[in-house]
Amino acid sequence: QVQLVESGGGVVQPGRSLRLSCAASGYSFSTNGMHWVRQAPGKGLEWVALIWYDGSIKYYADSVKGRFTISRDNSENMLYLQMNSLRVEDTAVYYCARLMGPKYGYFDLWGRGTLVTVSS
Amino acid sequence: DIVMTQSPDSLAVSLGERATINCKSSQSVLYSSDNRNYFAWYQQKPGQPPKLLIYWASTRQSGVPERFSGSGSGTDFTLTISSLQAEDVAVYYCQQYYTTPVTFGPGTKVDIK
Repeated sequence: QVQLVESGGGVVQPGRSLRLSCAASGYSFSTNGMHWVRQAPGKGLEWVALIWYDGSIKYYADSVKGRFTISRDNSENMLYLQMNSLRVEDTAVYYCARLMGPKYGYFDLWGRGTLVTVSS
Repeated sequence: DIVMTQSPDSLAVSLGERATINCKSSQSVLYSSDNRNYFAWYQQKPGQPPKLLIYWASTRQSGVPERFSGSGSGTDFTLTISSLQAEDVAVYYCQQYYTTPVTFGPGTKVDIK
């Protein structure tokens, strides 16, 4: 079954760190770039980060640049998002999504998301 | 950054009637080298992740009902649901993937009248 499953969310205090994981299965993970997209409660979709299929190129939204790091382990079919210096405004459901197509891609496969709550 | 705007913010349509959602990008997402619009539409139902409906502005994703269609080019795009069904109640987002940051529209909520 082709799927993405996120994990690692939870409640964390401002300024602390959290690492999210995304497990891919049912397809050749190493052939596609991957994105993280987040959605604050009751709000719209916000792109967070992108990593190329081989991990060689990464892009970040300005709102997370310097605080978040996207990475992947193609041998384990895993995608990660290391989130440091968390802020209240980072509270959201975080989705991993598969990149399809050239350039920055559209998202044809999404996980169900993991909720990150940043609160004191 | 390319800013995506959608109209209307919400709409209510009778079952079986047509629903039309518009999206405008602040700059063209038509890539001259391949003549394709780097533009997609997604549907999100409550408590679920987004689902890809349309990519390349008008290509329907596999498994998406034919009542969903996309049109437009450059900066102006439209999603049409030709005959609204109860299961189409959702929020619809447009997205450009022409450049980073990848950006989404604010969403349009579709409901039954």
